[in-house]
Amino acid sequence: DTGVSQDPRHKITKRGQNVTFRCDPISEHNRLYWYRQTLGQGPEFLTYFQNEAQLEKSRLLSDRFSAERPKGSFSTLEIQRTEQGDSAMYLCASSSTLQGGYGYTFGSGTRLTVV
Amino acid sequence: GQQVMQIPQYQHVQEGEDFTTYCNSSTTLSNIQWYKQRPGGHPVFLIQLVKSGEVKKQKRLTFQFGEAKKNSSLHITATQTTDVGTYFCAGTNDYKLSFGAGTTVTVRA
Repeated sequence: DTGVSQDPRHKITKRGQNVTFRCDPISEHNRLYWYRQTLGQGPEFLTYFQNEAQLEKSRLLSDRFSAERPKGSFSTLEIQRTEQGDSAMYLCASSSTLQGGYGYTFGSGTRLTVV
Repeated sequence: GQQVMQIPQYQHVQEGEDFTTYCNSSTTLSNIQWYKQRPGGHPVFLIQLVKSGEVKKQKRLTFQFGEAKKNSSLHITATQTTDVGTYFCAGTNDYKLSFGAGTTVTVRA
C-alpha cells in the first residue's frame, strides 16, 4: 500500500494526558500537512512541512500542539495536556511539488476522544 | 484570512435527478480543488481547476471555475446512490488549502 498511513486510528484519553499521533506520507511526496476535522465541518489547517522544515503553523493552534518531521519522512503530532475541545479527527495529508494537479492524498485519520 | 463558503450545506436528491453545489471565496484564488468524503471516510481528491472560466468533466460530474477565480461549482447529473457523501471545495493561493464546510448529499432511491 503506497497511501498515507496514520496511527493509531482511534485514541481515547483522559483530560490532561499527552497524546502523540504518527503519519507516514507517500514516500515520493515532499509536502506533509496536518488538518483537524470536527463533525459537520471541513478540514481545518494545523501545520505544514516541506521536507523536514515546518513552514507554517496555524494561529489557531495553541502551544500545547507540536509537530515534527525528522529527516523529512514520517511526522508526529503531539498534544500536551489534552482538553475536551481537542476531540476531533486529525488528518494527515501529503503532496508533491513535482506532481502538480494531483491534490492532496489524505490518510484515514486518527480520531481523538478526550474524556 | 481566506474564507471559502459552500452552499447548500445539505442536498437531498431523488435518484436520477441533477443538482449543483456552489463554492465562493472571499479572495481571488490561484486554484481550486474538489474533494469527496464518504460517510466514515477521509477526503479523496477529485479535481483541480486553475484557469479562469475553466470547465472540466468527470463522467457525470462537471466542475467550473469562475471568471474572477473567486467561485466554483460542481454539477452532478443523473444522481446515483454512489454519489452519497460530502463534497468539499478547497481554495489555495500558495501551498495551503482552505476548505469549505462542504455539501452533504443524500440520495433517495
